[in-house]
Amino acid sequence: DVKVTQSSRYLVKRTGEKVFLECVQDMDHENMFWYRQDPGLGLRLIYFSYDVKMKEKGDIPEGYSVSREKKERFSLILESASTNQTSMYLCASSPSMPTEAFFGQGTRLTVV
Amino acid sequence: QQPVQSPQAVILREGEDAVINCSSSKALYSVHWYRQKHGEAPVFLMILLKGGEQKGHEKISASFNEKKQQSSLYLTASQLSYSGTYFCGTEIPGSARQLTFGSGTQLTVLP
Repeated sequence: DVKVTQSSRYLVKRTGEKVFLECVQDMDHENMFWYRQDPGLGLRLIYFSYDVKMKEKGDIPEGYSVSREKKERFSLILESASTNQTSMYLCASSPSMPTEAFFGQGTRLTVV
Repeated sequence: QQPVQSPQAVILREGEDAVINCSSSKALYSVHWYRQKHGEAPVFLMILLKGGEQKGHEKISASFNEKKQQSSLYLTASQLSYSGTYFCGTEIPGSARQLTFGSGTQLTVLP
């Protein structure tokens, strides 16, 4: 089975902290994505990567950065966490061919 | 750039049918459909590529109208297990497979 693993299910961080959300996939997929899920707003794309060290901004990149040093790992970084970044964060991966994307279980981040 | 989904919510009785629509302001390369149950990750249902092909998955099928940049998901004779939030995801030509999702449609099937 394809697995997309996010390092934490729940995180509580303080305002101003630097936060790292980690995602690892085991299917050698080229594409990896970070989404933010909020009620009524659906899944909003923050960043995606189509190759190692390659990244593209999504619809809401402000306040976030990403890192992809290895093909299997895609990290989302909140440089200085703020309360409006409290949300569910979902990572996904997909191969280069047009087929399904696989999601991780999500990280519920609370910034206090 | 998010596709627009409608309706936002649907409540059905078991055995009834439903249609969920997804539209984009941009030309599309593909449309994905996913279902998410509460507390779980979204799960893939189907993908439709350019060509207007209709696909099916059990009693769930979908169509893709390239010219109108729209897709519809059809749920026939709904079952309790169909409850969840349905998302359409779209890919635009030349976007390096950027997959963008709509705001979702919450489907509730009652006994």
